[in-house]
Amino acid sequence: QQQVKQSPQSLIVQKGGISIINCAYENTAFDYFPWYQQFPGKGPALLIAIRPDVSEKKEGRFTISFNKSAKQFSLHIMDSQPGDSATYFCAASNRGGSQGNLIFGKGTKLSVKP
Amino acid sequence: ETGVTQSPTHLIKTRGQQVTLRCSSQSGHNTVSWYQQALGQGPQFIFQYYREEENGRGNFPPRFSGLQFPNYSSELNVNALELDDSALYLCASSGDRGRLGTDTQYFGPGTRLTVL
Repeated sequence: QQQVKQSPQSLIVQKGGISIINCAYENTAFDYFPWYQQFPGKGPALLIAIRPDVSEKKEGRFTISFNKSAKQFSLHIMDSQPGDSATYFCAASNRGGSQGNLIFGKGTKLSVKP
Repeated sequence: ETGVTQSPTHLIKTRGQQVTLRCSSQSGHNTVSWYQQALGQGPQFIFQYYREEENGRGNFPPRFSGLQFPNYSSELNVNALELDDSALYLCASSGDRGRLGTDTQYFGPGTRLTVL
């Protein structure tokens, strides 16, 4: 049973465009929703995270939008750059993040064309 | 860089062998989690250690075992290796539960295990 569903599987965006990746979850006990960025041969690196008491969080060009009633959250990358080309994973945890196991989506491979 | 280190970087084993992977957590962190990432997939939780005790386990068989040492470094042991165990094994460290601002799990670069 996949508890976090991520889409699309791959995404091609022109430089300067907006990249949007969506995730849906099933477990209403989840209370921490991070996004990770992973480059080939590297471990995932935290981009931005949100808790369900907030509907939006912005850090630089990265924004998480969170819809608790729909059990969905999304990552928006504004002014996408070729250096943003990587695989992005959404995740969820029900123990606040540091002590909980993260349940990951299957990932979205983003390619930003110059 | 996160300060989480893993060794070795790459490893090749044959079916039936045993393997030990190592992880040094970020300074000040007392929790280590291990994940398995198959090619083209998201990481899957194996287990977590908090102050040397197992603190949760995912859907992995008992031949996957671990240890955490007093300095909070950790080992992942896999016995009777199978072809499907070929994957990137990731270690993540994090801080005390309940402390504000320490929700993040910081990942190391991983160990690429190939089972032939």
